[in-house]
Amino acid sequence: GAVVSQHPSWVICKSGTSVKIECRSLDFQATTMFWYRQFPKQSLMLMATSNEGSKATYEQGVEKDKFLINHASLTLSTLTVTSAHPEDSSFYICSARDGQGGEKLFFGSGTQLSVL
Amino acid sequence: EDQVTQSPEALRLQEGESSSLNCSYTVSGLRGLFWYRQDPGKGPEFLFTLYSAGEEKEKERLKATLTKKESFLHITAPKPEDSATYLCAVQSGDKLIFGTGTRLQVFP
Repeated sequence: GAVVSQHPSWVICKSGTSVKIECRSLDFQATTMFWYRQFPKQSLMLMATSNEGSKATYEQGVEKDKFLINHASLTLSTLTVTSAHPEDSSFYICSARDGQGGEKLFFGSGTQLSVL
Repeated sequence: EDQVTQSPEALRLQEGESSSLNCSYTVSGLRGLFWYRQDPGKGPEFLFTLYSAGEEKEKERLKATLTKKESFLHITAPKPEDSATYLCAVQSGDKLIFGTGTRLQVFP
């Protein structure tokens, strides 16, 4: 199956700093990538849909100025958590759909963000 | 509103004790129902996609079925390595909407 690489797998930062998370599709081109957030023992909540070469579409309640998404190429999307605060601590997961019209979503391994 | 509800929230089984996980859904125009397995601290791992009522798919000890209102994930003779959270999701437009999952623990 297709591989989605997410980096870093965990990060600890101080309150007020910014953190960038990378999501790469390794063996396929992903025209669309999705960013999810997951709190302990809860399900995945979609934050935004990222389309290559265009602006991301954010879900209701997600601050686009706080969670900056860039999808500059067919294999890379980045999520930057700006001015992170402790309430931003969560597990962030990216996923990608095969650009060849595939229905399956392939997920990265996730990034655990802890803001002190 | 599109919605996915999974039950039970948690399930403890003895090794070899078969059982089923339920996923009830409401969606306008089902484009696919997905089952994923998620281990702690990891991203979801794809298991199955079902597209129409009556469809069934199998993989090792797992079998997924679909009706117009729900899907079941049957686990036959589970082993401890089957312990994980099993997530169900439905495709609405271009997005997947996930249920809260069933945390399965299989004891030897």
